[in-house]
Amino acid sequence: QSVLTQPPSVSAAPGQKVTISCSGSNIGDNYISWYQQLPGTAPKLLIYENTRRPSGIPDRFSGSRSGTSATLGITGLQTGDEADYYCVTWDNSLSTGVLGGGTRLTVL
Amino acid sequence: QMQLQESGPGLVKPSETLSLICTVSGGSISTSYWSWIRQPPGKGLEWIGHISYSGYTDYNPSLKSRVTISVDTSKKQFSLKMTSVTAEDTAVYYCARAIRGVNPSRNLYYYHMDVWGKGTTFTVS
Repeated sequence: QSVLTQPPSVSAAPGQKVTISCSGSNIGDNYISWYQQLPGTAPKLLIYENTRRPSGIPDRFSGSRSGTSATLGITGLQTGDEADYYCVTWDNSLSTGVLGGGTRLTVL
Repeated sequence: QMQLQESGPGLVKPSETLSLICTVSGGSISTSYWSWIRQPPGKGLEWIGHISYSGYTDYNPSLKSRVTISVDTSKKQFSLKMTSVTAEDTAVYYCARAIRGVNPSRNLYYYHMDVWGKGTTFTVS
């Protein structure tokens, strides 16, 4: 059962911008990371420490956090961005990973 | 470049024990944390647990009673054992490296998983 809440799906046209939200009480306490899972592949780290991108991740992907919500933004949408996106944080009181249910992005 | 590879039997019977191994190559296992995550067919990701190179573990509370994660640094491997499996344990199982940091403003640990294996399918039937 997911403790972080994400919309099940979002969609936008190629070239446009989309945002994916993630909310939950744990977010206010700790850093969020975001993962992209292309169809049939393993997840890949997109954003960590709320806003930082690993080497090789284009700056079309951005992260932000405000209070108990976090947002993943993707600009200049491409068909290759069609994937499931997950937010993840850490619950220090329970010493466990906490995940969102995932959001499927469709590029129309 | 670090790579992780999961291995193990793809099929076990209900009530038996799942045993998976993740082999680390292209880097040291004697740093960081090492995680297991699973994904049931058509569903989202579920964090199972992780282990430090020194053997410290954290587990998902919902699975803790059935799960053991161990590490063998000499073989550059870490493993997952899950007892009393049922059809609900059917999933793709991923291993991943987790980087631990400390949130300076709250003095709290946090983790993110930066290297993932390709995943292995495990079926209970």
